Amino acid sequence: AQRVTQPEKLLSVFKGAPVELKCNYSYSGSPELFWYVQYSRQRLQLLLRHISRESIKGFTADLNKGETSFHLKKPFAQEEDSAMYYCALSVLGKTGANNLFFGTGTRLTVIP
Amino acid sequence: NAGVTQTPKFQVLKTGQSMTLQCAQDMNHNSMYWYRQDPGMGLRLIYYSASEGTTDKGEVPNGYNVSRLNKREFSLRLESAAPSQTSVYFCASRLFRHDFNQPQHFGDGTRLSIL
Repeated sequence: AQRVTQPEKLLSVFKGAPVELKCNYSYSGSPELFWYVQYSRQRLQLLLRHISRESIKGFTADLNKGETSFHLKKPFAQEEDSAMYYCALSVLGKTGANNLFFGTGTRLTVIP
Repeated sequence: NAGVTQTPKFQVLKTGQSMTLQCAQDMNHNSMYWYRQDPGMGLRLIYYSASEGTTDKGEVPNGYNVSRLNKREFSLRLESAAPSQTSVYFCASRLFRHDFNQPQHFGDGTRLSIL
């Protein structure tokens, strides 16, 4: 069965320090992975997806199939990065919809 | 540009009462989803609808029913609310059934408390 694990519930870093939010997955098929972010009083929104290999707001994430990981990284944290971050695995559902399985989330706090 | 709209935003129910949470999207998306978010549990899929006319169970469907009324609307019904259903409920929608790369778009959520 599919599973997404985010081992850190809370993570605090100082402004300007590097940040890494960990995500590991378990899935027998070919994984499609996403990072979603929820800022205070805002909707959950897509941050980035592995297939695009993009950098959004300075964040990157590389899929490592050998380690079954999709860690989110940023070299220099900013205060506006403080938010709840969710790693999600996309799985094809029975009727064709692509369902998301979410990790439990990591709350990132960037200390000024 | 509303995106995904959920109503109501907050609701308090007594055990045993029934309630329907409404969700509508204006992006012409095919698929729609209902999740619940509980502390320490992340988001868990309750039901989904791959396209108009189809619905299917997710991880935690017990105690819920859904209706895909048309392409825009996907409602979630609690027939007999229980305290264990106290949660924040999120609706989401997505374009294209077979394109893995398309993200889901989320509503603001409905905070439901059952006493």
